[in-house]
Amino acid sequence: NAGVMQNPRHLVRRRGQEARLRCSPMKGHSHVYWYRQLPEEGLKFMVYLQKENIIDESGMPKERFSAEFPKEGPSILRIQQVVRGDSAAYFCASSRRTVEGANVLTFGAGSRLTVL
Amino acid sequence: AQTVTQSQPEMSVQEAETVTLSCTYDTSESDYYLFWYKQPPSRQMILVIRQEAYKQQNATENRFSVNFQKAAKSFSLKISDSQLGDAAMYFCAYRRPSGGGADGLTFGKGTHLIIQP
Repeated sequence: NAGVMQNPRHLVRRRGQEARLRCSPMKGHSHVYWYRQLPEEGLKFMVYLQKENIIDESGMPKERFSAEFPKEGPSILRIQQVVRGDSAAYFCASSRRTVEGANVLTFGAGSRLTVL
Repeated sequence: AQTVTQSQPEMSVQEAETVTLSCTYDTSESDYYLFWYKQPPSRQMILVIRQEAYKQQNATENRFSVNFQKAAKSFSLKISDSQLGDAAMYFCAYRRPSGGGADGLTFGKGTHLIIQP
């Protein structure tokens, strides 16, 4: 049973380009979360999605960032017109149907974005 | 808003000794969940232990145990018989009960644990 799969593991982009990060949740998990980790920092919540729905995007910057979790295929975190400040590790986590917040999140290995 | 504070940026312990990592949090909720995650150099986030706030009994997982003090809003992690493989960043995290869609974890900044052979 594969865990949470993220790709690419490493992505290099020049300023102004677009970055797309993909996340396939664990089998049987229908909830996906994206987090960002800046150097020397903890993970910061960005967005929480279920299939075809964004449930909570309170942690996502209002501009340039978007996320989706289509009916088929992986969840995608998209960053348009990247800037150097977007350089970070982006982690995806998944869980089963949430029951009073008790469900444990399983994390992927992260995607490291470097903006030149 | 909830906040999680880990006041120890780095801790060092001799192999086979015991070490305690501190975590405090701020919340107005009465029901919530607390977690410790480990992030080794591979950067994979691994769940170490979980505590439900409504449970008075401290959670334990083999060599890992917590000291949960709800009134003090403190949630420390004790690692007994430290092993070289325990070397990692340790993150304390808070999660409120689901509802209103806000299910994200709030993380502290982490404690870098060094194991001295």
